[in-house]
Amino acid sequence: DVKVTQSSRYLVKRTGEKVFLECVQDMDHENMFWYRQDPGLGLRLIYFSYDVKMKEKGDIPEGYSVSREKKERFSLILESASTNQTSMYLCASSSQGGGYTFGSGTRLTVV
Amino acid sequence: AQSVTQPDIHITVSEGASLELRCNYSYGATPYLFWYVQSPGQGLQLLLKYFSGDTLVQGIKGFEAEFKRSQSSFNLRKPSVHWSDAAEYFCAVGVNSGTYKYIFGTGTRLKVLA
Repeated sequence: DVKVTQSSRYLVKRTGEKVFLECVQDMDHENMFWYRQDPGLGLRLIYFSYDVKMKEKGDIPEGYSVSREKKERFSLILESASTNQTSMYLCASSSQGGGYTFGSGTRLTVV
Repeated sequence: AQSVTQPDIHITVSEGASLELRCNYSYGATPYLFWYVQSPGQGLQLLLKYFSGDTLVQGIKGFEAEFKRSQSSFNLRKPSVHWSDAAEYFCAVGVNSGTYKYIFGTGTRLKVLA
């Protein structure tokens, strides 16, 4: 069964910490995405990548960065976590023009 | 600008009743359209998708959706709802602006009464 795996289901971090959210896919997909999901706002695209070492900003990139050193792995980095980054983070991957496969999500709480 | 609107934030139906969830999009070209379902604490699961061809699309779990270009709509339907269908439903449009990505609606939360 094809999978997108997010390394943590729940995380609690302190304000100012550097936070890494990891995502791995086993489908050899070119494209990978990071979204955050907040009640009433739906899913908002943070960053995406269409190839190794390539990245593009989504709609809300401020306060985040990403890394894609290998095709199967796409990491989201919060350089200095803040309370307004408390959210559910969803990773997805897709082949070109294809549907997304989502991970189970990471619920991050910043205190 | 591209956008997706799901006008109903919450919908409540009785088990066995029919269901229709509304989705309207704004996109200049022929859209790729999707419906996803999210159970509590889970990621999103693809229910169905429309790329081209027959405008009535069948999906998993007994769901279907109809693409109406004249109304810029892609409404999701199910003839008889089961209690396990209680979840949040997201409509999305795939846009190609150099690279291919999705725009999601804000979701509709479905409650099913026994």
